[in-house]
Amino acid sequence: AQSVTQPDIHITVSEGASLELRCNYSYGATPYLFWYVQSPGQGLQLLLKYFSGDTLVQGIKGFEAEFKRSQSSFNLRKPSVHWSDAAEYFCAVGARNTDKLIFGTGTRLQVFP
Amino acid sequence: EAQVTQNPRYLITVTGKKLTVTCSQNMNHEYMSWYRQDPGLGLRQIYYSMNVEVTDKGDVPEGYKVSRKEKRNFPLILESPSPNQTSLYFCASRATGGVPGELFFGEGSRLTVL
Repeated sequence: AQSVTQPDIHITVSEGASLELRCNYSYGATPYLFWYVQSPGQGLQLLLKYFSGDTLVQGIKGFEAEFKRSQSSFNLRKPSVHWSDAAEYFCAVGARNTDKLIFGTGTRLQVFP
Repeated sequence: EAQVTQNPRYLITVTGKKLTVTCSQNMNHEYMSWYRQDPGLGLRQIYYSMNVEVTDKGDVPEGYKVSRKEKRNFPLILESPSPNQTSLYFCASRATGGVPGELFFGEGSRLTVL
């Protein structure tokens, strides 16, 4: 069955520290992979996406993610977190010929000054 | 400004009282979709629409209806709401010819059914 796992429900980091949010997926074919961010009281915004090619993808707000096929992972990283990065982050997987997205359960990021 | 607009943003209602959550996008997108977000479950798709007059069920369609009479609007209808439909609802759209899964989301509608 297709699924997305975000093992960390809640992560707390200090401002300026590095960040890695984990995402593992189970999917039969080569998937499309996405990270979305949801700021408090807001809708979801696309951070970055992977379709093919270079396995390290750059997104908005200084985020990047690396697709590792052998580990079925698509972890999100940022070298230095800002207080404004506090939000909930969702990993999602989709197929190449359909708009159906499967979302993970989300990771809530808290940033301390 | 390109956006997806949902109304109402917050609503408290009672069991059985029909309600409609409106969704409108100003980007001329063909694809639109509704999701519900519940703690520990992430986002789950309720219904989607590939174009005007074309709608289909998502993963959790029970208790919901939709219609797509115009390209810009995709209302979500709860004919007889029940407490298990208390949730945060998101409408989303995708650019025509855009990449599947690359969605633009509204700001959400928080619904409480008593």
